[in-house]
Amino acid sequence: KAGVTQTPRYLIKTRGQQVTLSCSPISGHRSVSWYQQTPGQGLQFLFEYFSETQRNKGNFPGRFSGRQFSNSRSEMNVSTLELGDSALYLCASSSLGLAGEETQYFGPGTRLLVL
Amino acid sequence: EDKVVQSPLSLVVHEGDTVTLNCSYEVTNFRSLLWYKQEKKAPTFLFMLTSSGIEKKSGRLSSILDKKELFSILNITATQTGDSAVYLCAGYGGATNKLIFGTGTLLAVQP
Repeated sequence: KAGVTQTPRYLIKTRGQQVTLSCSPISGHRSVSWYQQTPGQGLQFLFEYFSETQRNKGNFPGRFSGRQFSNSRSEMNVSTLELGDSALYLCASSSLGLAGEETQYFGPGTRLLVL
Repeated sequence: EDKVVQSPLSLVVHEGDTVTLNCSYEVTNFRSLLWYKQEKKAPTFLFMLTSSGIEKKSGRLSSILDKKELFSILNITATQTGDSAVYLCAGYGGATNKLIFGTGTLLAVQP
């Protein structure tokens, strides 16, 4: 089985711009979770989508949003970028999601740099 | 506020040593505790613990959860240089059912 894929792998944007990141889960997985990883804050949960519905949400401002398509692929959007949004954005997929208490498989991440 | 605290922050050992990594948590509606290993890439899953006192084992790695004292440990025996990584612990639960990560323990295994 192919693993979780994320595109693009690297991205450079300037403050005020918006960005869309994409995640394709492992075939058959219906849950996609997004995380932000920074040196100062570590890994922080953004949100989880399951069968096209946002099921769980972390403590991030409304500038961070996402969606999931019928093929389980997910996109994450960040609007009005700030310098502090520079981070590694990871997505993870699983069959049942966190509620199913099962393994999540992480993608390689998208490294976003905001100048 | 939900939080997960890992200790030590970093650790340097020699090949063959045994290490114990600690994770304490305060997570409302706690459901499970997870351990991940992160090298230069995405985290890879190690263990999920839901019950107290039941050790989970995978090769040289083992982990156990104490739900009364709110902590977990990850043991690595006979360490190898390939064990060098950041080890992340995460509690699943909270008001909105999410994973709350600790900042990780950086383990360096010297030959």
